[in-house]
Amino acid sequence: SQTIHQWPATLVQPVGSPLSLECTVEGTSNPNLYWYRQAAGRGLQLLFYSVGIGQISSEVPQNLSASRPQDRQFILSSKKLLLSDSGFYLCARRRGGNYGYTFGSGTRLTVV
Amino acid sequence: AQSVTQLDSQVPVFEEAPVELRCNYSSSVSVYLFWYVQYPNQGLQLLLKYLSGSTLVESINGFEAEFNKSQTSFHLRKPSVHISDTAEYFCAVSRVRGSYIPTFGRGTSLIVHP
Repeated sequence: SQTIHQWPATLVQPVGSPLSLECTVEGTSNPNLYWYRQAAGRGLQLLFYSVGIGQISSEVPQNLSASRPQDRQFILSSKKLLLSDSGFYLCARRRGGNYGYTFGSGTRLTVV
Repeated sequence: AQSVTQLDSQVPVFEEAPVELRCNYSSSVSVYLFWYVQYPNQGLQLLLKYLSGSTLVESINGFEAEFNKSQTSFHLRKPSVHISDTAEYFCAVSRVRGSYIPTFGRGTSLIVHP
């Protein structure tokens, strides 16, 4: 089966600290991968997407960056977290034939 | 460009009552339509999708949605809800051709009371 792993599930970080969230995919090769942020009451915001190793497209200029070091690995990073970076971060994979997305279980980040 | 409007941010309902979650979209091109469900502290799960063919699509847990092209709507319905249906529901659209990145609505919180 095609599975998306995200970790950690929850994270509490102080303002100004670095961030690294990891997403790995099983059961498929060359997936299109996405990072979304979900803030309370604000729906889903697309942050980055990647169609292959080393290929990153940024949708929203901000304090975050993404990298795709391996085919099935997608990393979301920040050098210095802001309070506004708090939220629920979701990694997703595009299903074949444009038949929707498969999402990971998410990471809840609280910046204090 | 396309957009999705979920008119209700929250829908409270009693158990075993019927429910309708509304979704309207705007697009200048043909689109695919999706409903996702998100249980607390979990990722989104694809609930059902409309790609082509019959305008009424069903999920395995009793939800159904009807694509209405003239009204540009894709409302989600269930004739009798259960406590376990309490969740956030997201409507999404993506272009049939061109950029496949979906546009999501802001979500509707379905709250089922006993």
